[in-house]
Amino acid sequence: ETGVTQSPTHLIKTRGQQVTLRCSSQSGHNTVSWYQQALGQGPQFIFQYYREEENGRGNFPPRFSGLQFPNYSSELNVNALELDDSALYLCASTEGGQNYGYTFGSGTRLTVV
Amino acid sequence: GENVEQHPSTLSVQEGDSAVIKCTYSDSASNYFPWYKQELGKGPQLIIDIRSNVGEKKDQRIAVTLNKTAKHFSLHITETQPEDSAVYFCAARSSGNTPLVFGKGTRLSVIA
Repeated sequence: ETGVTQSPTHLIKTRGQQVTLRCSSQSGHNTVSWYQQALGQGPQFIFQYYREEENGRGNFPPRFSGLQFPNYSSELNVNALELDDSALYLCASTEGGQNYGYTFGSGTRLTVV
Repeated sequence: GENVEQHPSTLSVQEGDSAVIKCTYSDSASNYFPWYKQELGKGPQLIIDIRSNVGEKKDQRIAVTLNKTAKHFSLHITETQPEDSAVYFCAARSSGNTPLVFGKGTRLSVIA
């Protein structure tokens, strides 16, 4: 059984640029959520995808967008990067839209300079 | 929306002692309460969870208790070991497609 894998592990971008982060969900999981974790804080919910459709969104601006593909892998896109976007971005998957037993990846550490 | 408060923010215990971390939540509709352990450079790992139809759940040295009336739940770690040192997060979620809402975390240090 494979876990959740995220790429890249680290990334440095300049303010104003765009970034795409990728996530492969655990085998058999069709629900993917993305979280932003600032240093010293708990993860904050960005949005969730279930069977390729967004079915929940947190308090993040529209420049945070996402996709889920037929194989249930997912992307998080952030446009017009700001310094405050620097954080660990976590992807989590679960099965059947149940929202129980989320498995997290190790995250992508994004630094905006 | 849901709000989860977690205490303490840091906790140091001697190896072999017990550690207790407490969380309160605001949404009485919440029915699922997981606990995650996050080690340096890694994502959160689910260590135990409880649903609102039970009051306590144990898994070896780890236990979670839930008081729905008071809207609080706690993580208990007995016989702590140095490898238990990490940041622990509680979370809560209500029904349907609502997301997990996390506390701010507790940094546990187990001193050998």
